[in-house]
Amino acid sequence: NAGVTQTPKFQVLKTGQSMTLQCAQDMNHNSMYWYRQDPGMGLRLIYYSASEGTTDKGEVPNGYNVSRLNKREFSLRLESAAPSQTSVYFCASTLGPSARETQYFGPGTRLLVL
Amino acid sequence: DQQVKQNSPSLSVQEGRISILNCDYTNSMFDYFLWYKKYPAEGPTFLISISSIKDKNEDGRFTVFLNKSAKHLSLHIVPSQPGDSAVYFCAASPIQGAQKLVFGQGTRLTINP
Repeated sequence: NAGVTQTPKFQVLKTGQSMTLQCAQDMNHNSMYWYRQDPGMGLRLIYYSASEGTTDKGEVPNGYNVSRLNKREFSLRLESAAPSQTSVYFCASTLGPSARETQYFGPGTRLLVL
Repeated sequence: DQQVKQNSPSLSVQEGRISILNCDYTNSMFDYFLWYKKYPAEGPTFLISISSIKDKNEDGRFTVFLNKSAKHLSLHIVPSQPGDSAVYFCAASPIQGAQKLVFGQGTRLTINP
């Protein structure tokens, strides 16, 4: 039982390049979330998916797209990376539809955009 | 604007003493609050939560206090242990929109032997 896994762990991109961050959970959770963490800012919600087939914007969705591929997987795509997207990205999941439940986080993806 | 604020970026406490981490919020629509703990190179893990209908919730060495009139919550850890050294985030959930959490900036707690 791996919980929430994220790939890659670390990535360097050039401005304008695209990439997809992968997230998978093996806990049969229904809801999944993408956050970014920046120094002095805490975690900010990018997108979430309350159930398979649905996605909704969070606090900072601009420049990102998401796909809830199936119940297990929730990917985050940067179509044209910008230096402002340099951050640590965390994926999380909850059993039910509420973020008030215990969220289980992955280990994070550290992204550097040059 | 930062709706959830942790004004102390860091805190150093001696092992065995009480650690008190503070959090303030500005939005009256928040009615549920959580604390998460984060070790380096790991994701956050849930620690404790409290609903606005309560003013205290206790779980072992961890107690969260909520003062609604002051829009302030605090996390007490007693006694503090070296393994408690981590970054602590408070988070708030609004009445409308329970899928969303608003996190504070975090406080780095260091427990000294």
